[in-house]
Amino acid sequence: DQQVKQNSPSLSVQEGRISILNCDYTNSMFDYFLWYKKYPAEGPTFLISISSIKDKNEDGRFTVFLNKSAKHLSLHIVPSQPGDSAVYFCAASGRLGTDKLIFGTGTRLQVFP
Amino acid sequence: ETGVTQSPTHLIKTRGQQVTLRCSSQSGHNTVSWYQQALGQGPQFIFQYYREEENGRGNFPPRFSGLQFPNYSSELNVNALELDDSALYLCASSLRGNDGYTFGSGTRLTVV
Repeated sequence: DQQVKQNSPSLSVQEGRISILNCDYTNSMFDYFLWYKKYPAEGPTFLISISSIKDKNEDGRFTVFLNKSAKHLSLHIVPSQPGDSAVYFCAASGRLGTDKLIFGTGTRLQVFP
Repeated sequence: ETGVTQSPTHLIKTRGQQVTLRCSSQSGHNTVSWYQQALGQGPQFIFQYYREEENGRGNFPPRFSGLQFPNYSSELNVNALELDDSALYLCASSLRGNDGYTFGSGTRLTVV
């Protein structure tokens, strides 16, 4: 039973354009949603998170939107840069720092010049 | 501050053998979680340790066991290795009650 789903295994975007990565979840009890970025041979690196009481959180070029009624969140990267090319994982959690993270299967983003 | 370090980085074992993976938490973190990432999948939660006690476990059999030491470092032990245990094993540390997990670079285990 996949509680967190990323239905697009890959995404290709031109440098300077917007990248939109999507994530759906099934468990309405999740309190926090996080995005991690992973390069080959490295562990996941935290990018940005959002609490279930918010619908938007921004950090520089990264914005996460949460639609609780649709159980959907998205990560927007504007403008996209070649260094953003990586696998992006969506994750959900109860209490941060305490509860386990439940990950999606990841979306491989390629940003080309 | 130092991050999360895992050892070894790569390991090849034979089916039926036992393996121990090690993790040093980020300075100041008191909670350690272990995840298994199979090829093409997202990380899956194995278990978490807080104050040397197991504090939550995912859907993994008892041959997956762990330890947390007083300095908050941790070990993951897997007995009777199976081919399907081949994966990247990730350790993550956190400060309980605060946000943010810091992941190590992982140990790539191959079972042949």
